Amino acid sequence: EIVLTQSPGTLSLSPGERATLSCRASQSVSSSYLAWYQQKPGQAPRLLIYGASSRATGIPDRFSGSGSGTDFTLTINTLEPEDFAVYYCQQHGTKTFGPGTKVDIK
Amino acid sequence: EVQLVESGGGLVQPGGSLRLSCAASGFTFSGYWMSWVRQAPGKGLRWVANIKGDGSASYYVDSVKGRFTISRDNAKNSLYLQMNSLRAEDTAVYYCVKEGGYTFSHWGQGTPVTVSS
Repeated sequence: EIVLTQSPGTLSLSPGERATLSCRASQSVSSSYLAWYQQKPGQAPRLLIYGASSRATGIPDRFSGSGSGTDFTLTINTLEPEDFAVYYCQQHGTKTFGPGTKVDIK
Repeated sequence: EVQLVESGGGLVQPGGSLRLSCAASGFTFSGYWMSWVRQAPGKGLRWVANIKGDGSASYYVDSVKGRFTISRDNAKNSLYLQMNSLRAEDTAVYYCVKEGGYTFSHWGQGTPVTVSS
C-alpha cells in the first residue's frame, strides 16, 4: 500500500505570503495519478490540481503543482484570505489520501 | 453543472443498517466511475468504495468489505451505499464523488452518519 505523508502538518502564514506544501509517497507514484484538494471548514473538498501539475477548472493561477516520483509540491503564491484551509494530496491508483496540511492565518 | 446530492444519513445503533443515496445531475451518469469517500469527525479523507459506470465492477476498502455494498441505478442517475453491521468507527460524513481523469473531480456536500447507542 502506498502511504502519503504531508508536511508540515500546519503552516501559519500571513495573506500575501507564499505557501509551499509537501507530499511524499512511500513508493514512486505516477504523476498522472497525483491530485491536490482544498477543504474549508464545513465544506466538501474541492479538486485543485490533477496530474501533479494541471489546474482544475476555475482554479486561480496562484495555485501550482509540481513534482514526480515520490516528492510532490503544492505552491500557493500570494495567499488570499479564502486560501486558508486544509489541503490534501491523493494518489488515485489506490485511492489513498495524505493526512492533510492546514494553512492557517499567522 | 455537475450536482451531487446525498441523503439517508442519520443516527443508528451499533450493528444497525443504513442506506445512503446520491442523486446526480449535470453529466452523463452512466459514463463515470462513482465513489463514496468518508471523513470521520476531525479526521482526514478516506475512500470507501467505488463502482464502474455500467455497474459491472466495484471495489471496497478492506475495513468495509462484507458489510457495505455500493450500487447504482443509471436510469435514475442515482448512487447508493448499503451499510450493514455498522460500528462506531463508521461514524463520519459520507461524500458522494464523481471520478474523472484519475481524480475525484466533483463532490457532494456530504451526509452525516453517526453510529452510537
